[in-house]
Amino acid sequence: GENVEQHPSTLSVQEGDSAVIKCTYSDSASNYFPWYKQELGKGPQLIIDIRSNVGEKKDQRIAVTLNKTAKHFSLHITETQPEDSAVYFCAASTPIYTNAGKSTFGDGTTLTVKP
Amino acid sequence: DTGVSQDPRHKITKRGQNVTFRCDPISEHNRLYWYRQTLGQGPEFLTYFQNEAQLEKSRLLSDRFSAERPKGSFSTLEIQRTEQGDSAMYLCASSTGTVNQPQHFGDGTRLSIL
Repeated sequence: GENVEQHPSTLSVQEGDSAVIKCTYSDSASNYFPWYKQELGKGPQLIIDIRSNVGEKKDQRIAVTLNKTAKHFSLHITETQPEDSAVYFCAASTPIYTNAGKSTFGDGTTLTVKP
Repeated sequence: DTGVSQDPRHKITKRGQNVTFRCDPISEHNRLYWYRQTLGQGPEFLTYFQNEAQLEKSRLLSDRFSAERPKGSFSTLEIQRTEQGDSAMYLCASSTGTVNQPQHFGDGTRLSIL
């Protein structure tokens, strides 16, 4: 089955700095890569996603890059703010018609943005 | 769009008791997923439904676990004869049936076994 590794497990940055979280996956059939933000006591909330036919996607301060050959993808947050502090999860999803479209998650990165 | 709703938010029970959780997905979503999340880990897939059909179950889902989705609307997850190791957050997510659409998560049910 799919295996997703996420690094680092904790990340502390100063407000205004950039934060980068990296993930690798094992199943070359995975074709959809969402990123989620989870705050205490809440469920994961989708913040950005990327499909396998795209190498990069940006949404305001958040960007995701995908290298299918190397099987890794990264989340970049620029101009970090204290409200960006949360746990971030990457996930890799297999094609919906062959394997349910289920997501395999990394173990999360706890991001702390210091004011 | 009222989002995915889960009930109860918290459940405390004694070992050996049965518990049932409910998930109400986003109304037009025909796919529904259950995940389990323990402290410091990402969510782990348990099972999924397309409409009322349960199409896949993880090996994590022992025979003490059962899930249903009658009429393809809300879903229930029941755990019989609970054990200490069942303590976790149980998350429900839903999505449309089209290719590569995001899963929308509820806020989960936190289960604590005494």
